[in-house]
Amino acid sequence: DQQVKQNSPSLSVQEGRISILNCDYTNSMFDYFLWYKKYPAEGPTFLISISSIKDKNEDGRFTVFLNKSAKHLSLHIVPSQPGDSAVYFCAATGNQFYFGTGTSLTVIP
Amino acid sequence: EAQVTQNPRYLITVTGKKLTVTCSQNMNHEYMSWYRQDPGLGLRQIYYSMNVEVTDKGDVPEGYKVSRKEKRNFPLILESPSPNQTSLYFCASSFADRITEAFFGQGTRLTVV
Repeated sequence: DQQVKQNSPSLSVQEGRISILNCDYTNSMFDYFLWYKKYPAEGPTFLISISSIKDKNEDGRFTVFLNKSAKHLSLHIVPSQPGDSAVYFCAATGNQFYFGTGTSLTVIP
Repeated sequence: EAQVTQNPRYLITVTGKKLTVTCSQNMNHEYMSWYRQDPGLGLRQIYYSMNVEVTDKGDVPEGYKVSRKEKRNFPLILESPSPNQTSLYFCASSFADRITEAFFGQGTRLTVV
């Protein structure tokens, strides 16, 4: 059973607008939540993480929000740029990693 | 240059023929792990290792073996590959106190016929 879920396989956004990618999880014992970005023919690259004791973490254009009561996290990218077009995986971890199925983001120039 | 190197990048093999996919990192990372990526299933962790001689099963360990004799290397062994192990495999590494910030290799696309 999938412990981390990304229910939107794809998302299209105009350049300059906000991209919001969503993720739900089932296990309340996860320590950290993170987002990875993946381009075709490359391995995933770490983007941003958040500890389970926080509800927001910001890094430049990227902000991750964590809602523990809803077991939900989201990644906001603002402003979106064409170079942000990639597949985004959310993940949760203690010692073991659990990844979502990914959301393919397309930023339209 | 800091990197995680997997070999081979592409491999086609036959059912039952033992194979090893190598993974090496040059960042002195303690934590290393293997994943497989399949359509509709995302990335699933196969095995991970917190340090030399310490390995643990991930979510989908069946049909795989690993070893961690040296800090830099973490090979993935398929003793008797089957077609359901056809997948895209990624190795990753990180410092043990920052396992969220993992560096991934470029992937190995394995086809078992």
